[in-house]
Amino acid sequence: QQQVKQSPQSLIVQKGGISIINCAYENTAFDYFPWYQQFPGKGPALLIAIRPDVSEKKEGRFTISFNKSAKQFSLHIMDSQPGDSATYFCAARHTGGGNKLTFGTGTQLKVEL
Amino acid sequence: NAGVTQTPKFQVLKTGQSMTLQCAQDMNHEYMSWYRQDPGMGLRLIHYSVGAGITDQGEVPNGYNVSRSTTEDFPLRLLSAAPSQTSVYFCASSYSGTEGLAYGYTFGSGTRLTVV
Repeated sequence: QQQVKQSPQSLIVQKGGISIINCAYENTAFDYFPWYQQFPGKGPALLIAIRPDVSEKKEGRFTISFNKSAKQFSLHIMDSQPGDSATYFCAARHTGGGNKLTFGTGTQLKVEL
Repeated sequence: NAGVTQTPKFQVLKTGQSMTLQCAQDMNHEYMSWYRQDPGMGLRLIHYSVGAGITDQGEVPNGYNVSRSTTEDFPLRLLSAAPSQTSVYFCASSYSGTEGLAYGYTFGSGTRLTVV
């Protein structure tokens, strides 16, 4: 079963606009929530991450919003640029060791000029 | 500093053949793991290791074996390839301890495997 649900599957945003990707999780045995960016032919690369005791984290144009009670978190990309066009994955780290991650299904973002 | 190196980058197998996907890291990370990526399904954990000699199953372990004789290497073995194993495989390494840089989680560039 999919423990981390991600939406939308694809997203088209105009240059300068805001891209918003949402994730929801079911298992409460997660203790860390990273977002990854993946370009075609490459492995995922860490973008930004948050702990569940923090409601928001911002790094440059990227912001994670976290709602622990609703078990939801989202990625906001401000001033979206064509170079942001990539696939984005949310993930959740399992407690209990091993750094096991459960990933969302991914969002393909296209930023148009 | 190479990070996580995966070989080969591409491979075509016939059903029933066996092969080993290689993964090596040079960051002295304790943890290593294998994921497969399929369209619309994200990445799913196959096997992982918390140190040399210690491995455990992930979400989709059937049809795969792993071993970890050194900190650096974590090969993934396909025992008898099936078309359902057509996928892109990613190896990753990370460290335990503090969450700095998201536990250092680093992915390789992947192996694209096709089973015909």
